[in-house]
Parts: sequence; C-alpha cells; structure tokens
Amino acid sequence: GAVVSQHPSRVICKSGTSVKIECRSLDFQATTMFWYRQFPKQSLMLMATSNEGSKATYEQGVEKDKFLINHASLTLSTLTVTSAHPEDSSFYICSASGRGRDGGGYTFGSGTRLTVV
Amino acid sequence: GENVEQHPSTLSVQEGDSAVIKCTYSDSASNYFPWYKQELGKGPQLIIDIRSNVGEKKDQRIAVTLNKTAKHFSLHITETQPEDSAVYFCAALGYGNEKLTFGTGTRLTIIP
Repeated sequence: GAVVSQHPSRVICKSGTSVKIECRSLDFQATTMFWYRQFPKQSLMLMATSNEGSKATYEQGVEKDKFLINHASLTLSTLTVTSAHPEDSSFYICSASGRGRDGGGYTFGSGTRLTVV
Repeated sequence: GENVEQHPSTLSVQEGDSAVIKCTYSDSASNYFPWYKQELGKGPQLIIDIRSNVGEKKDQRIAVTLNKTAKHFSLHITETQPEDSAVYFCAALGYGNEKLTFGTGTRLTIIP
C-alpha cells in the first residue's frame, strides 16, 4: 500500500529558531501534498496545499511567511516553521495524493510533535 | 464550502458489541467519503472508504454505509476489540475538489 514517511516524529526547539519537517512518499508520486495542524482533542486543520513544482496555497489565517512549504519533487515536501514561538507548539501532519497510489485516496504521515520552549 | 458533522464525540462500547459513528455532509456534489483511525501521537490511518456510486462497503469487521439522499454516512464496527479504541474521523471530498473536509472526531473506547 501507499506509504508516507514523516520526520522527525518529535522535535523540541528554542523560541526564535526554525524547524523543518519532511514528508516523503515512498512508493508513489505525490502530485499534491497537504499540511495539517492538530491541537489536542481536536480535528485536523488544513494549513496549506502544495502541488509539485508550484507555490503552496495557504488556507485563510495561515501565515505563509511563517510556515514555509516546499514541494520541489514528486516524492518530497517540507514544512519549515520559521522563528518558532511557544504558540506554534502543535502536532503537524502531512498527507499526500497522487499517481500510482492505490484507490486514488489520501495517505497520511505519522505526524510531528513540535514543542517550542 | 463543505461542512461535515460527526456524532457522537465520545462512545464507550463493551468489548464484543458493535459501534456506530455517524456523519452528515452538506455538499451534495461530494463523492468520496473516507474514514480514518487515529491512535494517540500518530497520524490518521485510512480504514475504509466509499464512493458515491456505492451504498455500502464492508471489510471484515468494518463497514460503511452511504445515504446520498439524506447526505449521511456511517461507520459500523462489529465484534469490537480493545485495539479498536482510538479517535475516528470521517471526511468528505467534493467533486472537483482536492481538499478533504473532516468531521470533528469520535473518541471510541472499548471496555474489556
């Protein structure tokens, strides 16, 4: 089946630093990647959608200069949280859809727990 | 845009009994309805999905039913086991849309 690998699973960083989260599709070409943020006991909140080779489309209220998304290849997308602050602490999850993926659905990564201290 | 409502928010079921989670959607053009299971600290995992040209789909102990007229779909888990304890999310995808709209989640607890 389709597999999406997300790293790191956990990261702790200091306020003001930047953190990069990687999301790789291992056995299919991810033409579209989605990045979500999830607060405790809440549903997934879509942050942005990116198509390979083009700029990401951000949802309303998401700062594109703070959450930098790169989707330079069909198997890799990255989310960089710049100048992180404690309020950015959250669970970040990527999802991918694309060619060669069984069922044409969406596969999620395992998530990244970001803690900003 | 699409709006998906999910009920109940929490559900406790005795081991071996059945569990049912229901979702309604607003966009009649939606045509893909996946269900995800999320365990603590992990990403959502697809457990079953259904497309709008089918009324029911089953995979061992898990089944999903879709009523397009009423715009609702349900997840049915039979013979529940402790490992079924998790948060379950329904979602809907509109025709021509690429973004899933998620329900608010149901925390299912199986009581041994």
